[in-house]
Amino acid sequence: DAGVIQSPRHEVTEMGQEVTLRCKPISGHDYLFWYRQTMMRGLELLIYFNNNVPIDDSGMPEDRFSAKMPNASFSTLKIQPSEPRDSAVYFCASSLSDRGLGTEAFFGQGTRLTVV
Amino acid sequence: DAKTTQPPSMDCAEGRAANLPCNHSTISGNEYVYWYRQIHSQGPQYIIHGLKNNETNEMASLIITEDRKSSTLILPHATLRDTAVYYCIVRVPEGGSQGNLIFGKGTKLSVKP
Repeated sequence: DAGVIQSPRHEVTEMGQEVTLRCKPISGHDYLFWYRQTMMRGLELLIYFNNNVPIDDSGMPEDRFSAKMPNASFSTLKIQPSEPRDSAVYFCASSLSDRGLGTEAFFGQGTRLTVV
Repeated sequence: DAKTTQPPSMDCAEGRAANLPCNHSTISGNEYVYWYRQIHSQGPQYIIHGLKNNETNEMASLIITEDRKSSTLILPHATLRDTAVYYCIVRVPEGGSQGNLIFGKGTKLSVKP
């Protein structure tokens, strides 16, 4: 397996534009997590899914942020409209809940978003 | 909020053992202790996890106290490439609402030549 795949790796956009970040989890994993990382706030959990169902979105900063997981192999994080304070590195991670096979989370390489 | 407390930074000499402490005094009986690290500009990387027994793998050892209120990650022979931020996390690795993976501020380990 190629691991967790995120796209794009880098995104530069103008304030007010819509931004869509994409994630392909490891095949067979039933958890998917979205994180945001900044120098000031560290690594923040935005939302996580279990079996494609959003379990906890309390970390989503405001209504401009939305996340979907239409199937087990794909998730998106959308920001509309984007603002300069959304500039950060966004990570996606996936894991299993089967203790027999290992429950560690695997992270993608991240998407570095810059909103100007 | 993270349920763990770690020192913000530590130094270690290259070749020596690095012992990174973590307090998790409110840990529940079904919560595991996980350790991850993040090397600059990369995504976090899993190191090891355990419930109550000590664990060892090719990367590190995890020592959990008998009351499970604290643990120590041991890197037996630290190298310069081990310089990273190390995160200690408690989590229930099962489906549903207990599965969230919350990162605290971690410990920045600097391995020096």
